[in-house]
Amino acid sequence: QVQLEESGGGVVQPGRSLRLSCVVSGFTFRNSGMHWVRQAPGKGLEWVAGISNDGRNEYYGDSVKGRFTISRDNSQNTLYLEMNSLRPEDTAVYYCAKQFDFGGLDDYWGQGTPVTVSA
Amino acid sequence: DIVMTQTPLSSPVTLGQPASISCKSSQSLVHSDGTTYLNWLQQRPGQPPRLLIYKISNRFSGVPDRFSGSGAGTDFTLEISRVEAEDVGIYYCIQVTHFPWTFGQGTKVEIK
Repeated sequence: QVQLEESGGGVVQPGRSLRLSCVVSGFTFRNSGMHWVRQAPGKGLEWVAGISNDGRNEYYGDSVKGRFTISRDNSQNTLYLEMNSLRPEDTAVYYCAKQFDFGGLDDYWGQGTPVTVSA
Repeated sequence: DIVMTQTPLSSPVTLGQPASISCKSSQSLVHSDGTTYLNWLQQRPGQPPRLLIYKISNRFSGVPDRFSGSGAGTDFTLEISRVEAEDVGIYYCIQVTHFPWTFGQGTKVEIK
């Protein structure tokens, strides 16, 4: 049974940092690209970042480039998102998602971890 | 970045009637490998999204055959042949041909 579980969300002040984690099980983590997607309250989905299965290639959305870093530890089956210089507009539920073998995001998502950036 | 534009943004539908959602991209979604990586996701209230359709028209495992996708180039369509109560939710197209991946704004399907 495939499971993805995010953690690390919370309330943080603007300009501060936060690190999200996503622990996965039920599939061979080291064989899959992984992604972070976020959803601001009452808004649509926004792709945030992606990383190749071996961690060598990273991709970012324009709104987070230079502030967020995606990484992974294949020995721990864990995906990370380091978020720096947080802004109020980063407030959202952050989901991790497995990459689909035929392109895009698979049907396997976590339940999300909420991040609130507020003074 | 590629802009994905969905219409309509809201679609009230009578049970058993069809629904259609359009998704247009600002650039061609044909990859250098010749494949068009345009997918559709469904998000039911309070749930994470789920994959419905990949590469324009391929239904993901377990997706009912009342869902179908079509299109090419920059114009794509998701159709529900006969809407059921469980289809209520928000539908998103996403292009995964070019980084950064981009979603449409979402189309809310609700029962009239």
